[in-house]
Amino acid sequence: EDQVTQSPEALRLQEGESSSLNCSYTVSGLRGLFWYRQDPGKGPEFLFTLYSAGEEKEKERLKATLTKKESFLHITAPKPEDSATYLCAVQAFIRGAQKLVFGQGTRLTINP
Amino acid sequence: ETGVTQSPTHLIKTRGQQVTLRCSSQSGHNTVSWYQQALGQGPQFIFQYYREEENGRGNFPPRFSGLQFPNYSSELNVNALELDDSALYLCASSPGRYNEQFFGPGTRLTVL
Repeated sequence: EDQVTQSPEALRLQEGESSSLNCSYTVSGLRGLFWYRQDPGKGPEFLFTLYSAGEEKEKERLKATLTKKESFLHITAPKPEDSATYLCAVQAFIRGAQKLVFGQGTRLTINP
Repeated sequence: ETGVTQSPTHLIKTRGQQVTLRCSSQSGHNTVSWYQQALGQGPQFIFQYYREEENGRGNFPPRFSGLQFPNYSSELNVNALELDDSALYLCASSPGRYNEQFFGPGTRLTVL
């Protein structure tokens, strides 16, 4: 069964303190791994898609990397506005439909 | 370019009632997926519609049903509401079945 596990569940950092979020997955034939940002009470906002091991994508203070079993979201010198829940999802197929299988998310808080 | 929109924003129903949630997909997108997100959890796939036909379904009972219209907007219908149906319902559109999915703001459903 396709499964995604994110760690830690919650993370508090000081402004400027860099860290990484982890997403480990088991899926029968990875087609894509997605990172989303979600603010409280809102829909997820698309950040990155990664397709193959070794691939990296960057956007402002965020960098996503992918290995054969896990993905990392590195956040460099974060600011309070980076506070959000970060969701990881893998692309899986069920009878021709693409569905995203999500982890439970990492709740990130950046203190000023 | 208009993003994905959903209505209503919030809804309160009582157990046993029926509810219809609506979604307008992003311009140029022909695929809509629906997800249920319980508090503190990642979104769970309900089903996907591609060119007006259901294209895949997650582990949800038949009382969860949907429609997609010729303009690619979509509805999610839930019959015989249960307390556990209280959640944020998310609609996501994509330009094809296998592309990145872009989420709307969600509809918060409370069942009393």
